[in-house]
Amino acid sequence: KAGVTQTPRYLIKTRGQQVTLSCSPISGHRSVSWYQQTPGQGLQFLFEYFSETQRNKGNFPGRFSGRQFSNSRSEMNVSTLELGDSALYLCASSPILAGGRSETQYFGPGTRLLVL
Amino acid sequence: AQTVTQSQPEMSVQEAETVTLSCTYDTSESDYYLFWYKQPPSRQMILVIRQEAYKQQNATENRFSVNFQKAAKSFSLKISDSQLGDAAMYFCAYRRGSGTYKYIFGTGTRLKVLA
Repeated sequence: KAGVTQTPRYLIKTRGQQVTLSCSPISGHRSVSWYQQTPGQGLQFLFEYFSETQRNKGNFPGRFSGRQFSNSRSEMNVSTLELGDSALYLCASSPILAGGRSETQYFGPGTRLLVL
Repeated sequence: AQTVTQSQPEMSVQEAETVTLSCTYDTSESDYYLFWYKQPPSRQMILVIRQEAYKQQNATENRFSVNFQKAAKSFSLKISDSQLGDAAMYFCAYRRGSGTYKYIFGTGTRLKVLA
């Protein structure tokens, strides 16, 4: 099976612009989560989606949003970019096991965003 | 709120030797999972090992094993016969048993393997 894919892999934007990042989960995985990784704050949870519904959201401003499509692919959008949004954005997908439980997230290679 | 603490920012080990990375966590939940992930310079997060809280037996995956002390809320990773390819950032992560797939990560331990 192909792994989690994320596009684009690298992105350079300027302050005030907006950006959309894409994530395609492993085939059959219906849950997608997003994380932001920075040297200062480490790995922080952004949001998670299951069956096109946002289940949980991390402590990020409303400029950060996401969605999930019927094929489980997910996008996240950051509007009005700030310098502090420069980070590695990681997407992870999970299989949903019997009883609705899932254990393990499988991560994509990430999108490195640089805001100038 | 749940927290995960990795108190060792950096560790070094000689090739072929054994090293243990520490992780402690805090939770009031009884049903949860614990994970170790490896992040090499490529930045790809790779699952190393996972442990279900309800299982008393420590998980093992080839050269990697954990020491899970539930009462002490400790979850250390032992790497035996260290190889150059083991050099990476190692993250400890916690996940509730149900209701969310959200991980809470520790700050990571950078492991250097010396030839």
